[in-house]
Formats: sequence, structure tokens, C-alpha cells
Amino acid sequence: DGGITQSPKYLFRKEGQNVTLSCEQNLNHDAMYWYRQDPGQGLRLIYYSQIVNDFQKGDIAEGYSVSREKKESFPLTVTSAQKNPTAFYLCASSYLVYNEQFFGPGTRLTVL
Amino acid sequence: DQQVKQNSPSLSVQEGRISILNCDYTNSMFDYFLWYKKYPAEGPTFLISISSIKDKNEDGRFTVFLNKSAKHLSLHIVPSQPGDSAVYFCAASLNRDNYGQNFVFGPGTRLSVLP
Repeated sequence: DGGITQSPKYLFRKEGQNVTLSCEQNLNHDAMYWYRQDPGQGLRLIYYSQIVNDFQKGDIAEGYSVSREKKESFPLTVTSAQKNPTAFYLCASSYLVYNEQFFGPGTRLTVL
Repeated sequence: DQQVKQNSPSLSVQEGRISILNCDYTNSMFDYFLWYKKYPAEGPTFLISISSIKDKNEDGRFTVFLNKSAKHLSLHIVPSQPGDSAVYFCAASLNRDNYGQNFVFGPGTRLSVLP
């Protein structure tokens, strides 16, 4: 079955540690995205990538880093520079512009 | 300042009746709009979309209406079912650069359909 997977579903880290969230898709989509969701707010774009080996900052990229070495994978690293890392993180992908984005199940990150 | 607003954080509707979810936007450059549905602890799933060249799009029980002059769109669900209970996000796309479209999401409206 085609889809987007994110792992793990729940993640706990100590303050000051970097953590990498996984996102894999087998939909053959060119574009991939990372969003963050906080209570009472819409999804906010962290980073996006339209093609392999290229990515662009979204609205709230500070404290985050990404890579796109393979079409199927778009991992997100939450660095210690991110001031409020506790949130629900969603990965998405899309095939062409103007098409809807397909979302993974999300990873809830809690920094203690 | 939010570019996409959903002013009702929650809505309760009786099963079988119509649910109307509203969305307002501020940027007249938005040209494509979508509705997503999200269950707890899951990613959003695409529901229905509308291009700015249209004012209505239907898909089964779901209809989206777009009023460009008012910068307003709404999602109608008729008849509402208990399984429709979820958070609904409105999203708008803006041509950010030559790479293509990216979406701006509203804060969501939690719909509860009561049996």
C-alpha cells in the first residue's frame, strides 16, 4: 500500500538534545513538507522540498534542519536551538503543484 | 497575523442536520483552497478543494462554496453523521515562488455531530 510513514509516533527527549524525526513516502511524490501543529493554531510550515537535494525554509524554520538525499525520505532534525520544540509534527507530500498534500500520521515530540 | 481564519473553534450539530464550517482569508492572491479533516493523533486527510475560478464544488455530502469578493469560503456537510466528528482545517495556497504552491492553514474547527 502506498502512503506516508512517520516514526516514531511518540518521542521524548531531554532539553538540549537534537532529535531526528523520520518521514518516508512511497507515493513517488516529488514534493515533501514538514509542518508543526500547536494547540489552537493551524499547521505551520517548517521546511519544504520540491526535488531531491533541494529544500526551502518555511515560515518557522529556525531551530530545525532537513535533508533530501532520496526522493522517498525527508527527515527533520529538531536542534537544541529550537526554543519550544514540544509539538505535534506532520510530514506531507504531493505529486504536482495544485494537488492536495497527503499527510503522515504525525509524531508527537515532548521535550522534558 | 493569521492569513487564514476559522473563527469558530468548535461546532456541534445534530445527526442528519447540516454542518456549516466557515473560513475567511485576508490575502486576495490566494487562488486555491482546500478542506482537510483530522482525527485525533492522526494526520489530516484531504476532503475537498476549490479553485478561485469556481464558486462551488460538490463531492457527495460535502460542498465547498467560495465567495471571492468577501474572501470567504464555507464547507457544507449534508447530512451530518457521527463519523464526521473531527477537526476541519481550511487551507489556502499562495504562489510562493517558482517552485510552486504551498499552503497556509487555518487554526481548525472542531465539529461534533451528536447522535
